Amino acid sequence: EPEVTQTPSHQVTQMGQEVILRCVPISNHLYFYWYRQILGQKVEFLVSFYNNEISEKSEIFDDQFSVERPDGSNFTLKIRSTKLEDSAMYFCASSALASNTGELFFGEGSRLTVL
Amino acid sequence: GENVEQHPSTLSVQEGDSAVIKCTYSDSASNYFPWYKQELGKRPQLIIDIRSNVGEKKDQRIAVTLNKTAKHFSLHITETQPEDSAVYFCAASPPYNTDKLIFGTGTRLQVFP
Repeated sequence: EPEVTQTPSHQVTQMGQEVILRCVPISNHLYFYWYRQILGQKVEFLVSFYNNEISEKSEIFDDQFSVERPDGSNFTLKIRSTKLEDSAMYFCASSALASNTGELFFGEGSRLTVL
Repeated sequence: GENVEQHPSTLSVQEGDSAVIKCTYSDSASNYFPWYKQELGKRPQLIIDIRSNVGEKKDQRIAVTLNKTAKHFSLHITETQPEDSAVYFCAASPPYNTDKLIFGTGTRLQVFP
């Protein structure tokens, strides 16, 4: 069964460093997302991406965040200068249809720890 | 914007008993309500969903009910088994040309043999 894959599974970084989280969505999917989950809290929407551009972003997704689909298969989330409060599990997801129409498939997450 | 509340935060049941998890939402125009199951260390996976034009949906031991008037929806698991132990998240999809899910805070279900 096709899966969304994410790397790394865990990254530890120093405050102020840049981090790139990578995702390979399911190959025939058109909609791509990043969500995050701070430990013990709810899963929060960060950004959606469709047709090679951001379709929607939350207030969490400020100028420190960016997304890219550089080569037609990878979908990356970059945090330019990490803060302590960026420590969380970051989930990539993809769907064949918009998420209010079709199933969202999640990756297993990348745990980011900012020291 | 849409806000989703979920209760209880933890739920312990004996194997074979039923479990019910409840969610409320704030935007009466939300029209899609999925439930995700997340086993420890694994990815969230869709287990059932319901749309606003339907009041109830069932899939074997799992059912979801939706009360649009009261703006709440519930997950019902009957004949629980130890492998049902996981964190369950409800979600709602706001309308108005949006493409995101708003999740509840999760319910940790433990089924004791």
